Amino acid sequence: GQQVMQIPQYQHVQEGEDFTTYCNSSTTLSNIQWYKQRPGGHPVFLIQLVKSGEVKKQKRLTFQFGEAKKNSSLHITATQTTDVGTYFCAGPRTGNQFYFGTGTSLTVIP
Amino acid sequence: NAGVTQTPKFQVLKTGQSMTLQCAQDMNHEYMSWYRQDPGMGLRLIHYSVGAGITDQGEVPNGYNVSRSTTEDFPLRLLSAAPSQTSVYFCASSYSDTQYFGPGTRLTVL
Repeated sequence: GQQVMQIPQYQHVQEGEDFTTYCNSSTTLSNIQWYKQRPGGHPVFLIQLVKSGEVKKQKRLTFQFGEAKKNSSLHITATQTTDVGTYFCAGPRTGNQFYFGTGTSLTVIP
Repeated sequence: NAGVTQTPKFQVLKTGQSMTLQCAQDMNHEYMSWYRQDPGMGLRLIHYSVGAGITDQGEVPNGYNVSRSTTEDFPLRLLSAAPSQTSVYFCASSYSDTQYFGPGTRLTVL
């Protein structure tokens, strides 16, 4: 079955520093989704990437989809305390199931 | 639209008790699923449904039952609660490859 690996598992940064999380799939993906889960909250959809090499931006967040469509990254520029949470990637529905990465928990130190 | 709703928000059970976690969505999504989230374990799929009357097992189905009599509702039943089922449970519905999560139920089994 599809496997989606995500690194790092945890990241602590000083407020204002940049942050990046990486997602790698064992298979080629038709698309990839990113979600954010605030502490005590539920995962919330952020964005979907579909095209090879696609780059999308949401304010300080930059999402990339690899040329081979097997990896993706989320980069946050100049982190703020509001960025705290766990970031998950997920592949498309495959065999009627979604496969999530294990998530990267981001702590921002004021 | 209320999106995906879950009840209760919190629940404490004794070992051996049974209960039903409720999930409803008003987006007319065919696909619904249940996940459990434990510290450091990410989101693990319990059961899913591709439409009314159709359900199937996910990664960790043991100890749980589901049914899907309507498009809107997808309850999760714990047959005989065990301490290992202490977790946060999320219901999600999906359109295409984007998932919408409910706020979760925090379950403690003593």
